[in-house]
Amino acid sequence: GESVGLHLPTLSVQEGDNSIINCAYSNSASDYFIWYKQESGKGPQFIIDIRSNMDKRQGQRVTVLLNKTVKHLSLQIAATQPGDSAVYFCAENGSSNTGKLIFGQGTTLQVKP
Amino acid sequence: DSGVTQTPKHLITATGQRVTLRCSPRSGDLSVYWYQQSLDQGLQFLIHYYNGEERAKGNILERFSAQQFPDLHSELNLSSLELGDSALYFCASSVGTQKQPQHFGDGTRLSIL
Repeated sequence: GESVGLHLPTLSVQEGDNSIINCAYSNSASDYFIWYKQESGKGPQFIIDIRSNMDKRQGQRVTVLLNKTVKHLSLQIAATQPGDSAVYFCAENGSSNTGKLIFGQGTTLQVKP
Repeated sequence: DSGVTQTPKHLITATGQRVTLRCSPRSGDLSVYWYQQSLDQGLQFLIHYYNGEERAKGNILERFSAQQFPDLHSELNLSSLELGDSALYFCASSVGTQKQPQHFGDGTRLSIL
C-alpha cells in the first residue's frame, strides 16, 4: 500500500550539532520527494526536494539523501539552531501522475540551547 | 510567508452545518491542492485542481466538494458536518501539476461542536 513512515517520532539535539531525520517510503514507483518543516500554528514550509534521478541534493544548511535501493530518505541539518525546532515531514508523490503528495507521520525536532 | 492565503483562520460550527473554506494561491500558480491534517490521520490529500479543472481526488468524502474559479482561487465546501471533521484544512499551490514544490497556506482550523 501507500505509506511513508518516519523512524523516530522525536529527535532531541544540542544547539550547534548536526541533525539527521530519517524517512522510509514504501512505493518504489515514487520519483519525487519533498521535506517540509511545520511550526506550531503554521502550514508546512517547503525545505528541499529531490528527484529519483539524484541521490543527494544540498541547500542552505540542509542536505537530502535518497537511497532508492532501500527506499530511504534523510534530511541532514547542519549546525542546528533553536529556530529549527519544529515537526519535519517527508512526502512522496507515489505512483500517480498527479501532484498528490503522500506524507509521513512527522518527526519532532527539539533543539536544546 | 508562502504567498498562499487561506480564510478564515478559525471556524467553529455545529454538527449538520455547512462551511466554505477559501484559498488564494501564490501569484502565477495554476494548481491548488487541499489537504486535511488531523491528529490520528496526519496530512491527507483531498483534491487537486489545475487551471479550473479537477485533476485528482484523494480520500475526499462525498459530503465535501471543491472548485477552482477563473481567477484561480479555490473553495472547499464541507457539508453535513460531523464531529470527526474537526481538523486543520490546508491549501497548497504550485505552478504546474506534478514534481514541483507545493507551497502551503497556514490553514483553517475547523472545530465542530
